[in-house]
Amino acid sequence: GAVVSQHPSWVICKSGTSVKIECRSLDFQATTMFWYRQFPKQSLMLMATSNEGSKATYEQGVEKDKFLINHASLTLSTLTVTSAHPEDSSFYICSARQGANAGELFFGEGSRLTVL
Amino acid sequence: AQSVAQPEDQVNVAEGNPLTVKCTYSVSGNPYLFWYVQYPNRGLQFLLKYITGDNLVKGSYGFEAEFNKSQTSFHLKKPSALVSDSALYFCAVRAPYNTDKLIFGTGTRLQVFP
Repeated sequence: GAVVSQHPSWVICKSGTSVKIECRSLDFQATTMFWYRQFPKQSLMLMATSNEGSKATYEQGVEKDKFLINHASLTLSTLTVTSAHPEDSSFYICSARQGANAGELFFGEGSRLTVL
Repeated sequence: AQSVAQPEDQVNVAEGNPLTVKCTYSVSGNPYLFWYVQYPNRGLQFLLKYITGDNLVKGSYGFEAEFNKSQTSFHLKKPSALVSDSALYFCAVRAPYNTDKLIFGTGTRLQVFP
């Protein structure tokens, strides 16, 4: 299947700093990417839908100024956690849709953020 | 609104025995249903999907799932479990008229004992 790459896999930062996580579709173009957040022993919660060339669509309760999403090209979406706090520590996973087939979503390996 | 329920937090099975991971769904219209597997500190890997056609869907690593419309279920099955199948399994649903947004269940941890 298609490959989606996330970077970094692990990041530790100090409280108050900003962290950028990249999501790349390596062998296909993705007009739409999705960002999920996963708390320990919990399911994935959709944070936002990232659309190439336009503003992201955020789910209810997700602060758009806190979690900045940029989808500047057909193969790259970035999530920036601004002014990170310990409660932002989580596992962030992106996914991308390949082609027009229903449900052909491919997921990245995830990025674990720890805010000290 | 569509939703997915995975009633079991954990399923334990001995290696070689058949396994079942349960999933029920609630969605208006015909559902698109998916199973994903997650290994520790990794992203999700696609196992199989049901959109239309045969109710029994075969997927990766010997897994299969049966779509049952009357019971609104989509249970994941495997005839003979392997220790390496131990992981976290997620069922997900997407309404056909919606975008690609997937609604995930809470996950079921499968533990296969040697």
